[in-house]
Amino acid sequence: AQSVTQPDIHITVSEGASLELRCNYSYGATPYLFWYVQSPGQGLQLLLKYFSGDTLVQGIKGFEAEFKRSQSSFNLRKPSVHWSDAAEYFCAVVTSGGSYIPTFGRGTSLIVHP
Amino acid sequence: NAGVTQTPKFRVLKTGQSMTLLCAQDMNHEYMYWYRQDPGMGLRLIHYSVGEGTTAKGEVPDGYNVSRLKKQNFLLGLESAAPSQTSVYFCASRQGTSGAQETQYFGPGTRLLVL
Repeated sequence: AQSVTQPDIHITVSEGASLELRCNYSYGATPYLFWYVQSPGQGLQLLLKYFSGDTLVQGIKGFEAEFKRSQSSFNLRKPSVHWSDAAEYFCAVVTSGGSYIPTFGRGTSLIVHP
Repeated sequence: NAGVTQTPKFRVLKTGQSMTLLCAQDMNHEYMYWYRQDPGMGLRLIHYSVGEGTTAKGEVPDGYNVSRLKKQNFLLGLESAAPSQTSVYFCASRQGTSGAQETQYFGPGTRLLVL
């Protein structure tokens, strides 16, 4: 079965600094990879996803993520963080067979200091 | 187009009481999901449905039942609530016709407190 690890429970950055959130997955074949963001009191919203092609994917709100097969990683990046980016971020993986049930990581909470 | 809506937004129950959470989507999606979110645990799948009239168990189904009598609605029932079911419950849906790359669309959540 696939698994997703987000090694950082909390990350604190200053506004304007760069950001990288880590995501590692365990799955034999190429997975379908997603990043979602959850603002306080809200549901999850898709930031970006990878399922084939260019390994660097662009998403909404200035985020990007890079799929590295050799490292089984799909890290999320943003060059300059805004205070409104403070939220919970979830990485998810879906395998290509079966009922396409996503497996979610436990989430990383982003704190942005002014 | 409201997307995915959940009713109620917040509820307090006493141990042993029952209740039903309603999820509705207006996107004609085939697949629907119920998750619970607990601190430090991420999202855990309770039950899901791949189409009208179908349901299947997820990772943590015990203590919950579901029904999908209409394509647009997915109901989550708690027959006898326990304090361990205090959580935030999220419903999600996806189109179900284009494979694993489809996006899930989430509702705003229902906060449930069981005393």
